[in-house]
Amino acid sequence: GQSLEQPSEVTAVEGAIVQINCTYQTSGFYGLSWYQQHDGGAPTFLSYNALDGLEETGRFSSFLSRSDSYGYLLLQELQMKDSASYFCAVTSMDSNYQLIWGAGTKLIIKP
Amino acid sequence: DGGITQSPKYLFRKEGQNVTLSCEQNLNHDAMYWYRQDPGQGLRLIYYSQIVNDFQKGDIAEGYSVSREKKESFPLTVTSAQKNPTAFYLCASSPLSTGTTNAYEQYFGPGTRLTVT
Repeated sequence: GQSLEQPSEVTAVEGAIVQINCTYQTSGFYGLSWYQQHDGGAPTFLSYNALDGLEETGRFSSFLSRSDSYGYLLLQELQMKDSASYFCAVTSMDSNYQLIWGAGTKLIIKP
Repeated sequence: DGGITQSPKYLFRKEGQNVTLSCEQNLNHDAMYWYRQDPGQGLRLIYYSQIVNDFQKGDIAEGYSVSREKKESFPLTVTSAQKNPTAFYLCASSPLSTGTTNAYEQYFGPGTRLTVT
């Protein structure tokens, strides 16, 4: 079967750096995506990794290690508006290339 | 403005009634999706469609039905057979690159919060 694990909640301080981890189990892994969802809102796409390494987009970076079935989202210079839930999602042959979502990590930012 | 619209934002129904949720996109995307989200959980795929007049079941299709008669529209019907229909329903779309169905970047509508009592 397929599964994804990510912490349910992470707390950080405004201006700091936080890392949200995601481990996955699937066959025929294709790629790992990250989405942000504010309370009551819709998810918005942040990043995608298909190959090992770090992808940087402004204050956000995402990392993938295919051999470890592991990835993380790194948020730098945290702002209060970054308070949201962050979801990792995988696409794989197992899922017929559809997104399979983790349960999400609620990021709480304190001033 | 290009985007995805879902209506209504909130919907209340009595148990035993079918209800149809609307989803329209003007992004010219080939693929469209319906997800269900329960409190504190990730999204679960109900149905998806990669081309007009064709759709596939996702992980939790039982009790739901869809149609894709136009590229822009992908309505979802929650039938009385769905045992726990109260949830947040999200519609999404994505472009599909030639030669792949890997739809990792999806664009979401604002969602419909359905309450059945």
